[in-house]
Amino acid sequence: AQSVTQLGSHVSVSEGALVLLRCNYSSSVPPYLFWYVQYPNQGLQLLLKYTSAATLVKGINGFEAEFKKSETSFHLTKPSAHMSDAAEYFCAVSGRGGGADGLTFGKGTHLIIQP
Amino acid sequence: KAGVTQTPRYLIKTRGQQVTLSCSPISGHRSVSWYQQTPGQGLQFLFEYFSETQRNKGNFPGRFSGRQFSNSRSEMNVSTLELGDSALYLCASSLDTGAQDTQYFGPGTRLTVL
Repeated sequence: AQSVTQLGSHVSVSEGALVLLRCNYSSSVPPYLFWYVQYPNQGLQLLLKYTSAATLVKGINGFEAEFKKSETSFHLTKPSAHMSDAAEYFCAVSGRGGGADGLTFGKGTHLIIQP
Repeated sequence: KAGVTQTPRYLIKTRGQQVTLSCSPISGHRSVSWYQQTPGQGLQFLFEYFSETQRNKGNFPGRFSGRQFSNSRSEMNVSTLELGDSALYLCASSLDTGAQDTQYFGPGTRLTVL
């Protein structure tokens, strides 16, 4: 069975500051991990994904995430926050391939950018 | 390429009615998955279809059903609607069904049950 825990339902940072959104996972099979972003009244947009090719994954809009097996973590970072980054962020683990059920999502982290 | 499209974008129904939601995947994608998003439960997997066959199903009652057509378009149906079925229903498509295959999401259908 897979599970995802996102620490902090709300994270507030100042514009230009570092963004750090935390994600820990549990998986019974080698994990494939994803970060998605959701803007109000929209669907989910893929930011980046980990598929074991490299532990540091670069995504769109300046985001990146580092896979740490020893810590079962896949935290999302961005060096300098922009107002347009304000949105809901979801970490997900894929259960496919292990006979499980689609993507398992964390509860989400609402990112607030202070001017 | 056009993205995943979902129709309608908004629906209002009353308890006891049934509803059908439609999803058109990205051209060439053969897998379609459905998710329910609510403030309380978050994002939950409903089911996945590939080549017109249901491959996986989440933990939802039998009132929730779906199907996929030969052109990969998919529909989901909810019968005997309950107030708790109010949610954003998201469809996602992917090339195939591997764990590493990225799922691309549509804008969702917002269902309100009165």
